[in-house]
Amino acid sequence: QVQLQESGPGLVQPSQTLSLTCTVSGGSIIGNEIYWTWIRQHPGKGLEWIGYISHSGRPSCLPSLKSRLTMSVDTSQNQFSLRLSSVTAADTAVYYCARHYGDYHYFDYWGQGILVTVSS
Amino acid sequence: QTVVTQEPSFSVSPGGTVTLTCGLTSGSVSTNSYPSWYQQTPGQTPRTLIYSTNIRSSGVPDRFSGSILGNKAALTITGAQADDESDYHCVLYMGNGVWVFGPGTKVTVL
Repeated sequence: QVQLQESGPGLVQPSQTLSLTCTVSGGSIIGNEIYWTWIRQHPGKGLEWIGYISHSGRPSCLPSLKSRLTMSVDTSQNQFSLRLSSVTAADTAVYYCARHYGDYHYFDYWGQGILVTVSS
Repeated sequence: QTVVTQEPSFSVSPGGTVTLTCGLTSGSVSTNSYPSWYQQTPGQTPRTLIYSTNIRSSGVPDRFSGSILGNKAALTITGAQADDESDYHCVLYMGNGVWVFGPGTKVTVL
């Protein structure tokens, strides 16, 4: 059973960089048609797909976040990461990591989520 | 910019049937949009219900079904139960490697 776990600071100051890591256990991060995904949920709102990255490092993301977003994969640690720069209060959200199973085009495994608050 | 649409809320009686939809502000949803549906209760992680339009995820009761209705994706709950009271999220493939969630539908069973 694949499990994902987000980690990172729960509080980030405005204009700084939000950095999160997702550790994958119970399976390899290397796989064809598997995309390692970040999704967020603003308080009381719906889900927002941020982007995903393959194990080989090929990313795709929301155009509105592209200028601030960096995603990476560390296959040796079975982890993938997100960095979002120049954050504002609008980036306050629960951030989920998830696995996108490309053969059937859906998010089949999710982390429990981590609340990140942007505030001074 | 094309936006994914969902009804804000629905109310259904226990044992009743409700159909939620997932559309686009411009254009039609098709199987090539690969619609999937996720159920979420407050404070919990989303749970996969339906993927690739109409494939039920493992362990999901058969009272949940997915389809394309007209130009939208649809999630139907037949014989609603109290524990179906949740938020329901759809997501669509927009092309160019980009996925977009709808705003979610809150379903109340009463």
